[in-house]
Amino acid sequence: NAGVMQNPRHLVRRRGQEARLRCSPMKGHSHVYWYRQLPEEGLKFMVYLQKENIIDESGMPKERFSAEFPKEGPSILRIQQVVRGDSAAYFCASSPARVGGYTFGSGTRLTVV
Amino acid sequence: TQLLEQSPQFLSIQEGENLTVYCNSSSVFSSLQWYRQEPGEGPVLLVTVVTGGEVKKLKRLTFQFGDARKDSSLHITAAQPGDTGLYLCAGEGGGADGLTFGKGTHLIIQP
Repeated sequence: NAGVMQNPRHLVRRRGQEARLRCSPMKGHSHVYWYRQLPEEGLKFMVYLQKENIIDESGMPKERFSAEFPKEGPSILRIQQVVRGDSAAYFCASSPARVGGYTFGSGTRLTVV
Repeated sequence: TQLLEQSPQFLSIQEGENLTVYCNSSSVFSSLQWYRQEPGEGPVLLVTVVTGGEVKKLKRLTFQFGDARKDSSLHITAAQPGDTGLYLCAGEGGGADGLTFGKGTHLIIQP
């Protein structure tokens, strides 16, 4: 079991482009959480998904950001028309239940130039 | 809005010394977790404390959850250079999904 897999590890996008971040949860985990970490800041909750459903997106900006967790395949965090302020490390965590047992991926470091 | 305050933000000590870092909140959490994060990597879970007043030991690390489940501490005995890293506390529950993280304590143990 390779744990939570995130790719790419590093992503560079020009302003206005789209960024797609992928997260494959641990085997047997059907709950996925996305967090954003800015320099010198703690991780901030963005969105919580179960298979095919968004459960809580209260931490995600209303515009340009979207997330999905399809029946087949990884969870995707999509950022449209990226701006410099979107530069951050984005982490995905998965768990076997709604509470507890979180395992984090190694993150995707997004740089907007 | 739930907030977790960690202190100190930065700590640099000599190998062999003891240290304590703190995690405080005005909110009650159903559990509190401590993570360690290395540069370029994701957080790795060290421990979860659930019961008010609970104390857990992990080799030279001792974790305590406050009686009111609002605060926690991490004590390291005889620190070693391998303990260097970013230590994050995170609270679960209180009506929010996912984890609420503190900003972390950057710990450097000098040989």
